[in-house]
Amino acid sequence: KNQVEQSPQSLIILEGKNCTLQCNYTVSPFSNLRWYKQDTGRGPVSLTIMTFSENTKSNGRYTATLDADTKQSSLHITASQLSDSASYICVVSPGNYGGSQGNLIFGKGTKLSVKP
Amino acid sequence: SQTIHQWPATLVQPVGSPLSLECTVEGTSNPNLYWYRQAAGRGLQLLFYSVGIGQISSEVPQNLSASRPQDRQFILSSKKLLLSDSGFYLCAWSRGQGATDTQYFGPGTRLTVL
Repeated sequence: KNQVEQSPQSLIILEGKNCTLQCNYTVSPFSNLRWYKQDTGRGPVSLTIMTFSENTKSNGRYTATLDADTKQSSLHITASQLSDSASYICVVSPGNYGGSQGNLIFGKGTKLSVKP
Repeated sequence: SQTIHQWPATLVQPVGSPLSLECTVEGTSNPNLYWYRQAAGRGLQLLFYSVGIGQISSEVPQNLSASRPQDRQFILSSKKLLLSDSGFYLCAWSRGQGATDTQYFGPGTRLTVL
């Protein structure tokens, strides 16, 4: 069964600290993996997308890594800011694209709280 | 630039009442459109998607329906709401250009069924 598991479920860190969020998936065949940031009460916003051949992708203070062999991804946040408080969602696209994205597999997200 | 709108932002409805949520996209043509529901503590659940006017694919059997009367308009409806329909409803669009397409989400509608 295609699944995306994220850990931890929630995380509290102090402003300025780094953190790493994990995503494990069992989706096969695999096309790409995305990380989204969702502020409370808002729609998700795309941070990064990585295909099978990409190992790392950065977007400012956000760096995502992908190990397609072990089917693991991580999102590293450097020098956290209060505005980083949000849920971070890992999304995997299977390798059987059929003209739409009606088959994305979503993780439940990690809720990050950055405290002053 | 492209923008996506949803309304209303918040809605409180009694059980058994009808529902109509609207989503419109500006600045693009022939987008793929999606309706998701996000229940508390759960991941996003795809409800419907559409690749063109009048073309609707349903992912989950339920008392909801979707319609796409115009190219950039997507409507989510119900004739009789259930308590379990409460949640955060998100509309999204993508360009339909392949598996690496990005989905752009709207601001969402918070629905509470009492």
